Amino acid sequence: SQTIHQWPATLVQPVGSPLSLECTVEGTSNPNLYWYRQAAGRGLQLLFYSVGIGQISSEVPQNLSASRPQDRQFILSSKKLLLSDSGFYLCAWRHGRAGTGELFFGEGSRLTVL
Amino acid sequence: GNSVTQMEGPVTLSEEAFLTINCTYTATGYPSLFWYVQYPGEGLQLLLKATKADDKGSNKGFEATYRKETTSFHLEKGSVQVSDSAVYFCALRGTNAGKSTFGDGTTLTVKP
Repeated sequence: SQTIHQWPATLVQPVGSPLSLECTVEGTSNPNLYWYRQAAGRGLQLLFYSVGIGQISSEVPQNLSASRPQDRQFILSSKKLLLSDSGFYLCAWRHGRAGTGELFFGEGSRLTVL
Repeated sequence: GNSVTQMEGPVTLSEEAFLTINCTYTATGYPSLFWYVQYPGEGLQLLLKATKADDKGSNKGFEATYRKETTSFHLEKGSVQVSDSAVYFCALRGTNAGKSTFGDGTTLTVKP
């Protein structure tokens, strides 16, 4: 069976510090990978998605970047965090070609920037 | 572009009440439609889905029917429980295979 894990689960960082959130999928190959952000009481904002190694599409210009160094690894980064980067970050995957298109989400990473 | 509009919350119901959360969409072609549920402090998980017109998705007593004529996918449950308290998201996957579009979410609280 397929699983998805992201870490850390909780992070408190000062303004101007770097960020690295990691996400790993197991039990499948060539997944499409996604990073979403959910602000408090709000819906989901798609930040980045990737259809293959080294292929990153950015949805919203911002202080964040993403990388996909391996087929099943997706990393969200920032060089200098802003207060507005606080939120709940969700990694997700879906089958690249097969399947009916549903997304499978990780447990989420709560980031607080102080 | 694609869009999803769902009923604003929060919604508060008593246990065993009937639930409807409205969802309408705008998309070209024939999208697949989904309802996801998010329990406090967790990620989203798929609740149910429908991939073509007139399909009915169902799970855990929840159901939704894909209505192409009204571009809707309303979520219903005949008798809610306290454990159904969560945030519910309507979503679609359009012909662009890379992305999904989500509604803003509806917070449901069920009181005993």
